[in-house]
Amino acid sequence: DQQVKQNSPSLSVQEGRISILNCDYTNSMFDYFLWYKKYPAEGPTFLISISSIKDKNEDGRFTVFLNKSAKHLSLHIVPSQPGDSAVYFCAASESGGSNYKLTFGKGTLLTVNP
Amino acid sequence: NAGVMQNPRHLVRRRGQEARLRCSPMKGHSHVYWYRQLPEEGLKFMVYLQKENIIDESGMPKERFSAEFPKEGPSILRIQQVVRGDSAAYFCASSPQGKRVGLGDTEAFFGQGTRLTVV
Repeated sequence: DQQVKQNSPSLSVQEGRISILNCDYTNSMFDYFLWYKKYPAEGPTFLISISSIKDKNEDGRFTVFLNKSAKHLSLHIVPSQPGDSAVYFCAASESGGSNYKLTFGKGTLLTVNP
Repeated sequence: NAGVMQNPRHLVRRRGQEARLRCSPMKGHSHVYWYRQLPEEGLKFMVYLQKENIIDESGMPKERFSAEFPKEGPSILRIQQVVRGDSAAYFCASSPQGKRVGLGDTEAFFGQGTRLTVV
């Protein structure tokens, strides 16, 4: 029972172009969403987050869009750089007493080609 | 995230042995979370601890697994009588508070993980 789904296991883009990573969720109780970046043999690093009261959050080259009605979010990276090559995990947490608990997707491997 | 220290980085155990994974949180953090990543999967929550207390162990298998976070020293995830299905990467995260990880100063920082291989 996957509550957070990243349906694209991998994505390849050219340096300088836009990378769009997608994530869908099924749990209506999720109200906070995060993206983590992970390099091989390292732990996940927090990238950007968004609350369900917003539909967009921007931080430099990274923008996260949230469509609550579609239960869909996406991460845009513009312009993409070779150093962005990593696995990107979408994660979500519920409101209420268990809001410390993150539910992760399976990840999308992004490769940015020079 | 380099502040959360996990050791060992790699651990090989034979079936039936015990595995002990250690996690030292970032300085000033009193909340520790353990996650497991099975091959081809995302990270899955296992347990949330504060000093000397288990707050939520709902994600931890009922048998063979235990966790502690003593008053002094690192948090320990212990797996008894390991089986091949326990082979995974185990990640520890810490935060200054136990609420809404990822938001401002409640961000949870992950360690580099321990890769457990059961042979």
